[in-house]
Amino acid sequence: DVKVTQSSRYLVKRTGEKVFLECVQDMDHENMFWYRQDPGLGLRLIYFSYDVKMKEKGDIPEGYSVSREKKERFSLILESASTNQTSMYLCASSSPAGAFGYTFGSGTRLTVV
Amino acid sequence: TQLLEQSPQFLSIQEGENLTVYCNSSSVFSSLQWYRQEPGEGPVLLVTVVTGGEVKKLKRLTFQFGDARKDSSLHITAAQPGDTGLYLCAGRGGATNKLIFGTGTLLAVQP
Repeated sequence: DVKVTQSSRYLVKRTGEKVFLECVQDMDHENMFWYRQDPGLGLRLIYFSYDVKMKEKGDIPEGYSVSREKKERFSLILESASTNQTSMYLCASSSPAGAFGYTFGSGTRLTVV
Repeated sequence: TQLLEQSPQFLSIQEGENLTVYCNSSSVFSSLQWYRQEPGEGPVLLVTVVTGGEVKKLKRLTFQFGDARKDSSLHITAAQPGDTGLYLCAGRGGATNKLIFGTGTLLAVQP
């Protein structure tokens, strides 16, 4: 069964901490994405990557960065966590054409206190 | 910016009832997908529609893509508690060809 695995289901971090969210996929997909999900706002794209070492900003990249050193792994970094970054973070991957849709991980619920 | 608005935002119904969820935009999409997300999990793809006017059926779920490819609907017949979840539409289009997600419809089916 194909999978996208996010390293943590729940995280609690303090304001100002540097936070790493890890995502690994085993489908050999080129495309990987990071979204945040907030009630009433749907899924908002933070960053995405079409290839190793390649990244592009999504709709809300401020306060975030990403790293893709290997094809299967896409990391989201909160440089200095703030309370407004408390959210559900979802990682997804897809083939280049995306005809089969996105495969999502189970999400990481991050609380910044 | 392309936007996809879903209605209703919340829906609570009794088992056996029928319901329709709508997904609307002023933009044209090359394809549209529907996902269901259960509590504590990521969204899971239900269907992709590509052609304007296309209708797809998945057991008790019927999906329709508007003729102009700007809107879509999801109809559930005889809803069951297992249908409970967040339903998300997502359109592909624009210069980047990325998926744009709708705001979601939270469905609760009471036994």
